[in-house]
Amino acid sequence: QVQLQESGPGLLKPSETLSLTCVVSGSSFSSGFYWGWIRQPPGKGLEWVGSVNLLGNTYYNPSLKSRVTMSFDTSKNQFSLKLNSVTAADTAVYYCARPYTTSDKAKFDIWGQGTLVTVSS
Amino acid sequence: QSVLTQSPSASGTPGQWVTISCSGSNSNIGSHTVNWYQQPPGTAPKLLIHKNGQRPSGVPDRFSGSKSGTSASLAISGLQSEDEADYYCAAWDDNLNAYVFGTGTEVTVL
Repeated sequence: QVQLQESGPGLLKPSETLSLTCVVSGSSFSSGFYWGWIRQPPGKGLEWVGSVNLLGNTYYNPSLKSRVTMSFDTSKNQFSLKLNSVTAADTAVYYCARPYTTSDKAKFDIWGQGTLVTVSS
Repeated sequence: QSVLTQSPSASGTPGQWVTISCSGSNSNIGSHTVNWYQQPPGTAPKLLIHKNGQRPSGVPDRFSGSKSGTSASLAISGLQSEDEADYYCAAWDDNLNAYVFGTGTEVTVL
């Protein structure tokens, strides 16, 4: 059974860099899946952040592309999200997720529980 | 601001039929299949429908999806209390080269 678990600082100051990791159990990155991040501001809807696979194929939300980096640490079976120059608008629950099949970039059927990141001075 | 528009809310009594609509454009729903997610309060979203109308394993057949042109809909038949949740449509958008979610519909069971 595939499980995902996000972790990272819950509180950041404006202009800092958000760094989150997603530990994956029950699945290998070499399986060919894309791995993604989705965020949800408190009380608001879902926003896709991006998806990346081990081959280096990367898709980022164009509204965040200039600030986002996603990468893998295969030795720890985890992948990460970095979002720089954060503002209060980046306050959200951040989910890591895996799509339904290896052909999907973003049809997510396995989700982490989410982690709240608050940006405040 | 999402490119997929949903009505903000829908409601029904137990056993009733509820439908949720999702309106898009040629660059998203008109060109790609639609997925639906269910998100009960305080939980992570769950993939409910994919490829317009297919249910992943474990999803009750009370849930059905369809697509016509640049719009899609989700129907819940025999509404149950555990169906109370937010529902989001989603699809790839060629113009944005991005996966876009709908604005979300809150379903209330009266």
